[in-house]
Amino acid sequence: EAQVTQNPRYLITVTGKKLTVTCSQNMNHEYMSWYRQDPGLGLRQIYYSMNVEVTDKGDVPEGYKVSRKEKRNFPLILESPSPNQTSLYFCASSPRTGGLYIQYFGAGTRLSVL
Amino acid sequence: KNEVEQSPQNLTAQEGEFITINCSYSVGISALHWLQQHPGGGIVSLFMLSSGKKKHGRLIATINIQEKHSSLHITASHPRDSAVYICAVRGSGGGADGLTFGKGTHLIIQP
Repeated sequence: EAQVTQNPRYLITVTGKKLTVTCSQNMNHEYMSWYRQDPGLGLRQIYYSMNVEVTDKGDVPEGYKVSRKEKRNFPLILESPSPNQTSLYFCASSPRTGGLYIQYFGAGTRLSVL
Repeated sequence: KNEVEQSPQNLTAQEGEFITINCSYSVGISALHWLQQHPGGGIVSLFMLSSGKKKHGRLIATINIQEKHSSLHITASHPRDSAVYICAVRGSGGGADGLTFGKGTHLIIQP
């Protein structure tokens, strides 16, 4: 089954404790992206990747890191989480350029930073 | 940066009604997406269009490039259509390859 898998689905952590949210897709898609969703603000792009070893900043990249060492995986790293990073996070992938193809979304990761 | 406005923000209707959700944007685009977010939080892409009209089952999406406006229609609405519907656009210029999202329309269909 074609899917985008995020882990964990729920995470509660404390300020400053490094964490990684994993994202994996099995569709051989070139494009992958991370979004955060906050009440009243909607979805906003954090980082995206056009292909292996190619990543770029979205609209709200501060406090986040990503890597794309393999085509299927695109982990989101919070080196020193802060409470303002409490949010609902989505990973998505599409065959190529993100805006010109249908995007497939993961189930979401709800993160709380205390 | 593109501004994406959706209307209405909230909509409650009775089962069977014809539903229209609107999306307006401020700057020329290369593509527009309609997404559906279920109460459980999962997001599904419904349509990607750059001109004209697309139909899938009871859902119809239209776009008017000159007026910078798109509509999502649901015919014969059903309680299972209750969800948040989100419009997103991709700019026509260069730069970051991301989408700009509207804040969503919360739709409730009552039996």
